[in-house]
Amino acid sequence: EDQVTQSPEALRLQEGESSSLNCSYTVSGLRGLFWYRQDPGKGPEFLFTLYSAGEEKEKERLKATLTKKESFLHITAPKPEDSATYLCAGAPVSNYQLIWGAGTKLIIKP
Amino acid sequence: NAGVTQTPKFQVLKTGQSMTLQCAQDMNHEYMSWYRQDPGMGLRLIHYSVGAGITDQGEVPNGYNVSRSTTEDFPLRLLSAAPSQTSVYFCASSAVPGQSDTQYFGPGTRLTVL
Repeated sequence: EDQVTQSPEALRLQEGESSSLNCSYTVSGLRGLFWYRQDPGKGPEFLFTLYSAGEEKEKERLKATLTKKESFLHITAPKPEDSATYLCAGAPVSNYQLIWGAGTKLIIKP
Repeated sequence: NAGVTQTPKFQVLKTGQSMTLQCAQDMNHEYMSWYRQDPGMGLRLIHYSVGAGITDQGEVPNGYNVSRSTTEDFPLRLLSAAPSQTSVYFCASSAVPGQSDTQYFGPGTRLTVL
């Protein structure tokens, strides 16, 4: 069964304290791995797509990486405005339906 | 370019009432979908459409109906609301699956069923 698991459920960091969020997946024939950011009361907002193991993408303080079993979202020197829930999803080759993780709630304290 | 719009933003229903959640997109996307989001759970797919006139069931379709008469609109109908349908509902759209899976989400509808 296709599955995406995110850890930790919640992460509290001090401003400037770098860390990583994990997304483990068992998705048959992974077509792509997606990262989204969701602010309270809003819809998810697209961040990155990764297609193959070894691929990396960066945007400001965020860097996403992909291996054959998991993806990491690295946050370098975070600021309070990076506080949000981060979602990852896998796209199986067999159909159009994305498989979503439950998300990691990130809180950056000033 | 408004992207994906949803109405209403909030709704309270009584058990047994019916209603329609509206979703529209102006990006000429073929693929549209409805999700529900509950605390501690990932987004769960209710129904999706790969083009006008074509719809299919997702992971949790019971109690919901959809139709797709135009490329732009994809309404979600609750037939007889139940407290278990209390949730936040998101509509999303993307270009042709396989060419681009990036989904663009609306702002959501927060539904409470009493």
